[in-house]
Amino acid sequence: GAGVSQSPSNKVTEKGKDVELRCDPISGHTALYWYRQSLGQGLEFLIYFQGNSAPDKSGLPSDRFSAERTGGSVSTLTIQRTQQEDSAVYLCASSPVLGRWGTDTQYFGPGTRLTVL
Amino acid sequence: GDSVTQMEGPVTLSEEAFLTINCTYTATGYPSLFWYVQYPGEGLQLLLKATKADDKGSNKGFEATYRKETTSFHLEKGSVQVSDSAVYFCALSSSSGNTPLVFGKGTRLSVIA
Repeated sequence: GAGVSQSPSNKVTEKGKDVELRCDPISGHTALYWYRQSLGQGLEFLIYFQGNSAPDKSGLPSDRFSAERTGGSVSTLTIQRTQQEDSAVYLCASSPVLGRWGTDTQYFGPGTRLTVL
Repeated sequence: GDSVTQMEGPVTLSEEAFLTINCTYTATGYPSLFWYVQYPGEGLQLLLKATKADDKGSNKGFEATYRKETTSFHLEKGSVQVSDSAVYFCALSSSSGNTPLVFGKGTRLSVIA
């Protein structure tokens, strides 16, 4: 079946502009995660959505970052007033319902490479 | 907080050599442990996982055993191929299920013919 998809695959923007990154999770997956992969910091957690619960925003690096998930499916990560240090690959992942035996495998999308000039 | 430490690379091996990439973790409770792989130009893919102590995850000739006593999850392969060249990430998620992954820094493996 279809995996996690992300768009755009590449985004080049000027410092100070806002950007929106989109994630389409695997159909039926209730959990959705955003991570950032950068040379200096490795893979960092940003934000996590689980069903209808309030999102876990503990990984967002500043208030310029926000995310929403509409209808429990598609998610958009927004970065306002971008800075050069925001340049990174932004990864989205989803995971299925935590059943009786539990499952926590996360399936990753191909990422969006953001370059802030 | 939870953390993962894995050996720094890069690691360069000849084809058919034995591979070990060390990974240790710090976590409360009983986390699930994972190895993800990122091939050149591709996204992160789950390689293998283990969800409780003494479990062995295996896939594509790779193995890792969840060792609670040493808080380790070392990745091994008996005979590497050029196609195994990639970046390997050790990760954990907490014992409460669907939670964000905590990743190690990644280890770049290059296999030469």
